Amino acid sequence: TQLLEQSPQFLSIQEGENLTVYCNSSSVFSSLQWYRQEPGEGPVLLVTVVTGGEVKKLKRLTFQFGDARKDSSLHITAAQPGDTGLYLCAGYMDSNYQLIWGAGTKLIIKP
Amino acid sequence: NAGVTQTPKFQVLKTGQSMTLQCAQDMNHEYMSWYRQDPGMGLRLIHYSVGAGITDQGEVPNGYNVSRSTTEDFPLRLLSAAPSQTSVYFCASSKLAGAYEQYFGPGTRLTVT
Repeated sequence: TQLLEQSPQFLSIQEGENLTVYCNSSSVFSSLQWYRQEPGEGPVLLVTVVTGGEVKKLKRLTFQFGDARKDSSLHITAAQPGDTGLYLCAGYMDSNYQLIWGAGTKLIIKP
Repeated sequence: NAGVTQTPKFQVLKTGQSMTLQCAQDMNHEYMSWYRQDPGMGLRLIHYSVGAGITDQGEVPNGYNVSRSTTEDFPLRLLSAAPSQTSVYFCASSKLAGAYEQYFGPGTRLTVT
């Protein structure tokens, strides 16, 4: 059982559409990170959120940390083919000093 | 800076063979870790190190050994390869243990037949 559940597992949409992916848990995290991984490469950090209710924007990507720090979402506006990749969330719990990883959302943006 | 480097990029082993996956970082990071990535299961922590001379087990340590004799290097040894160890392996480093940005290597795709 994943401590961090990501949904959907797979999403394929047309260029220009909007989308939201989710990262949910029943546990509280002190911070949460979002990474993007392209085929044949390692994950690369997009953003870290640390405060409940925090919203961060990275160009067309909007990240939100839930008020209770148990969930997070990533919203992409006007998706581009360059957004294609595997999106991973990772939560940090002070209690065990480890990052807990979700299984990822595989996103394909078709031109 | 090269960041995190891993060798080899691809490897095929027969059941029972042993090998070492190499990992090096040039960012003077204290924390280093090894993950395996399997479809639908995300990244699973194998072993980690909070500094030179200190290593500990992660979620899936069986069949793997590590050592950390220097800050820069963190090799992962497969003692007796099994088909269940077929996976993509990533080495990562961060400034310290905790909620710091993880820098990943390019990965090693290992197939055990």
